[in-house]
Amino acid sequence: AQSVTQPDIHITVSEGASLELRCNYSYGATPYLFWYVQSPGQGLQLLLKYFSGDTLVQGIKGFEAEFKRSQSSFNLRKPSVHWSDAAEYFCAVGIRTIKAAGNKLTFGGGTRVLVKP
Amino acid sequence: DTAVSQTPKYLVTQMGNDKSIKCEQNLGHDTMYWYKQDSKKFLKIMFSYNNKELIINETVPNRFSPKSPDKAHLNLHINSLELGDSAVYFCASSQDRASRSSYEQYFGPGTRLTVT
Repeated sequence: AQSVTQPDIHITVSEGASLELRCNYSYGATPYLFWYVQSPGQGLQLLLKYFSGDTLVQGIKGFEAEFKRSQSSFNLRKPSVHWSDAAEYFCAVGIRTIKAAGNKLTFGGGTRVLVKP
Repeated sequence: DTAVSQTPKYLVTQMGNDKSIKCEQNLGHDTMYWYKQDSKKFLKIMFSYNNKELIINETVPNRFSPKSPDKAHLNLHINSLELGDSAVYFCASSQDRASRSSYEQYFGPGTRLTVT
């Protein structure tokens, strides 16, 4: 069965420091992978996506993620975090089904990022 | 302009009551979803509708009944509320249900339901 694991529940990082969030997936086929961000009191927003091709993908807000098939990972990175990056981050795998059934996302448990001044 | 809106934002009610949450999207999408986020932030899909047709039903108790009057609206009605229903419920929408764009979902701000 497909699953997504985010090993870190909380991460605290200083403003200006680099950030890396880990994501591991289990999926029987080539995965479609996503990172979503949830700011406090808000809904989720898509940060970036991977379908195929270049394994390093760029997203919004200066984030990037790298797909590593050998490690079943899709880690999210940002070189220099800003206080506004404090949020909950969710990794997700896209589950493909037959057309009539509709695709869906399976989310990891999330990583809360706290940014220290 | 709000892309995906939900009402109410907060809902506090007692066990056994029936309540509804409404969702509207103005993105022109034809697929809409309901998700439940529990107290540990775990997010799980409940339902998906495409052009008013139910296409995903993730083994949710039949006390939960989604209704889609048109492709821009998806409401969630919950009968006989239980303590375990307390959660944040998110509505989302996407273009299409089976192409890659189906994964690019736009979420509403959520409805925090508290059952006492």
